[in-house]
Amino acid sequence: QKEVEQDPGPLSVPEGAIVSLNCTYSNSAFQYFMWYRQYSRKGPELLMYTYSSGNKEDGRFTAQVDKSSKYISLFIRDSQPSDSATYLCAMIISGGSYIPTFGRGTSLIVHP
Amino acid sequence: KAGVTQTPRYLIKTRGQQVTLSCSPISGHRSVSWYQQTPGQGLQFLFEYFSETQRNKGNFPGRFSGRQFSNSRSEMNVSTLELGDSALYLCASSLDGAGVTEAFFGQGTRLTVV
Repeated sequence: QKEVEQDPGPLSVPEGAIVSLNCTYSNSAFQYFMWYRQYSRKGPELLMYTYSSGNKEDGRFTAQVDKSSKYISLFIRDSQPSDSATYLCAMIISGGSYIPTFGRGTSLIVHP
Repeated sequence: KAGVTQTPRYLIKTRGQQVTLSCSPISGHRSVSWYQQTPGQGLQFLFEYFSETQRNKGNFPGRFSGRQFSNSRSEMNVSTLELGDSALYLCASSLDGAGVTEAFFGQGTRLTVV
């Protein structure tokens, strides 16, 4: 079992839908939780990060961490075709090497 | 400012050959990390270099090696290529590697081993 599990999808939604992307993890030492977006033929770019539990909002994006369930989510409101990409979750143990452990990524397709 | 530059963008090699990939980090960044990305395994950490020294290493065989130069540019070498080494190789640069928000990825080098 991988430390970070993420459904690869693809997840196909109509434009304007609310998208929910999720990751589960097994190592309770993870303290930093990040979401990256990767467009085709590009490198990943950091979208959001949270420390420990709670929610964080940035425009149409909301990141949520539930440490008791070892579960993190990224919500995208009013999804757009330009949101079509692969979304990777990543996690870091605080005070360690700060090398992130990534999920496999979920492919999201937002169709007009 | 210029982003992370990886060269070449695409490579086709034959089994048994060796390959060298290059990464130029963002100016002023001293940490360079390398990752292998495949559909089956996702993004896997190879190693990190900081100030010309390997600071962290992932679980890859010794065929995978790297180095960093005094200008922070980094190279990754894979010897005795295997079919399973076909992947997208990404490098990420950051100021010092200790900030979770600071890593910037290049576009990657797509390596195909035939």
